[in-house]
Amino acid sequence: DAGVTQSPTHLIKTRGQQVTLRCSPKSGHDTVSWYQQALGQGPQFIFQYYEEEERQRGNFPDRFSGHQFPNYSSELNVNALLLGDSALYLCASRTLGNTGELFFGEGSRLTVL
Amino acid sequence: GQQVMQIPQYQHVQEGEDFTTYCNSSTTLSNIQWYKQRPGGHPVFLIQLVKSGEVKKQKRLTFQFGEAKKNSSLHITATQTTDVGTYFCAPSGGYQKVTFGTGTKLQVIP
Repeated sequence: DAGVTQSPTHLIKTRGQQVTLRCSPKSGHDTVSWYQQALGQGPQFIFQYYEEEERQRGNFPDRFSGHQFPNYSSELNVNALLLGDSALYLCASRTLGNTGELFFGEGSRLTVL
Repeated sequence: GQQVMQIPQYQHVQEGEDFTTYCNSSTTLSNIQWYKQRPGGHPVFLIQLVKSGEVKKQKRLTFQFGEAKKNSSLHITATQTTDVGTYFCAPSGGYQKVTFGTGTKLQVIP
């Protein structure tokens, strides 16, 4: 049973570019959340997707957008990249009806130059 | 939104010493989860507390939820080098959105 998988693991972009990060949730999970974790900081909630719709959103600008597909996988898109977007982007999945644990992927390390 | 602070920010202990991290919220929490993140790793779920005054134990780890459901603590007895990492409390709020506290980074000196 595969856990949460994310791709790519590492990537380097330049300011102004756009990036797409991908996430496949753990088998049986229908809810995907994205987090941004800057170096030395705690994960910051970006948004949560359930039934292909954004259900909750954290304090992030519209440059951050997402999508959830019918197979529950998800993408995070960031436009007009800034140096401050450099971070580890974590995807987490759970079953919405279960108020328990989040299962995290290994993350995508984004560096913006 | 929810503001959750953890203290201390950093803690260095000798192996075998005890360790405690505290999580404080400005608002009443529905429930609280705890996660551990090893250096270079991703957060891993430890436990969820739901009831006022709840205490749960996992081997050397003891988790407590305050009576007012505004604070929580994690206590590790007789730390080991495998306990190294950052410990986050994480309230679960509306529509089960999980937000993370500021974290306590634990270093264990052999």
